[in-house]
Amino acid sequence: AQSVTQLDSHVSVSEGTPVLLRCNYSSSYSPSLFWYVQHPNKGLQLLLKYTSAATLVKGINGFEAEFKKSETSFHLTKPSAHMSDAAEYFCVVSGPRAGTASKLTFGTGTRLQVTL
Amino acid sequence: NAGVTQTPKFQVLKTGQSMTLQCAQDMNHNSMYWYRQDPGMGLRLIYYSASEGTTDKGEVPNGYNVSRLNKREFSLRLESAAPSQTSVYFCASTKRGPGDTQYFGPGTRLTVL
Repeated sequence: AQSVTQLDSHVSVSEGTPVLLRCNYSSSYSPSLFWYVQHPNKGLQLLLKYTSAATLVKGINGFEAEFKKSETSFHLTKPSAHMSDAAEYFCVVSGPRAGTASKLTFGTGTRLQVTL
Repeated sequence: NAGVTQTPKFQVLKTGQSMTLQCAQDMNHNSMYWYRQDPGMGLRLIYYSASEGTTDKGEVPNGYNVSRLNKREFSLRLESAAPSQTSVYFCASTKRGPGDTQYFGPGTRLTVL
């Protein structure tokens, strides 16, 4: 079984300051991990993913995440927040193979607020 | 490519009514999924189809049925809608398996009165 815990339901930062969204995971396997972003009333868009290659993963819009197996963490960071980053962010772990399907387990989400 | 499309975008039902949510993808993906999103709970898997001709239950299948009509289309049916099924429903697809990106549709906002 796998699970994901997003440690903050809401994060508020000022524009131009760093962003840190925290995620811990639990998995019985070598997991694939993802961060998705959801802007208001929109679908989900992939920010980045980890699939057992480099532990530091770079994504779109300046975001990156580091896979730390010893800490079972996959925190999302960005050096400088922009107003357009305001959205809901989901940390996701992929479960074991089910045929060709990948069953995802989602965290409960972190709402990022960016203020002037 | 349109990606993953869903219809309708919005729907209001009365308790006991039935309806089908439609999903289609044009990326030649093997696997398709239906999720529901409720406030504070992230997305939860309702049903999935690993490949054409197969369907399996996810985390919250009760009250729903699915049909994988062909490789492109995967529909979700509510036979007798209940207020607890008020939610936003997302369809997604992937090409192969674990580690592959899931691509999501824009969602269907369903209200059951």
